[in-house]
Amino acid sequence: QKEVEQDPGPLSVPEGAIVSLNCTYSNSAFQYFMWYRQYSRKGPELLMYTYSSGNKEDGRFTAQVDKSSKYISLFIRDSQPSDSATYLCAMSRIHSNYQLIWGAGTKLIIKP
Amino acid sequence: KAGVTQTPRYLIKTRGQQVTLSCSPISGHRSVSWYQQTPGQGLQFLFEYFSETQRNKGNFPGRFSGRQFSNSRSEMNVSTLELGDSALYLCASSLEYGGLVDGYTFGSGTRLTVV
Repeated sequence: QKEVEQDPGPLSVPEGAIVSLNCTYSNSAFQYFMWYRQYSRKGPELLMYTYSSGNKEDGRFTAQVDKSSKYISLFIRDSQPSDSATYLCAMSRIHSNYQLIWGAGTKLIIKP
Repeated sequence: KAGVTQTPRYLIKTRGQQVTLSCSPISGHRSVSWYQQTPGQGLQFLFEYFSETQRNKGNFPGRFSGRQFSNSRSEMNVSTLELGDSALYLCASSLEYGGLVDGYTFGSGTRLTVV
């Protein structure tokens, strides 16, 4: 079993919809959680960075961490065709020298 | 400000050869990480350097090596190339190791094809 599980998709939704992207993890020691967006032929771009539990909002993006369920989510409101990309979750913990553990990435398609 | 610069962008090598890839981090960033990305395996961590010292290493064979210079620029080397080494190699920099302050900023990668 992988430490971080993420559905590869693709997830296809109409423009304007609310998108929910998720990752589950098995190690309760993870403390730092990140979401990255990757467009084709580009490197990943950091979207959200949270520490421990709770919510964080930035514009149309909201990141949620539920440590009791070992579950993190990224919500995208008013989705746009330009949001079409692969979204990767990543997380790290102190005892592994903060090495990031990555999900497989979810391919998101926003249909105009 | 300038982003993370990786050179070259594309590379074609023959099996058995060796290759060196270069990464210039964002000014002021002291940590540089390297990743291999393939459609089947996703992002695989190679190693992370901080202040010229290797802080973390992934599960790759010894053919994969790296180093960091005093100006934080980094190189990675792959010797005795195999067909399976064909991948996008990504470099990421951050202020501190582990990306704890502000996460990692990635370059656009070097696309390596081994024939």
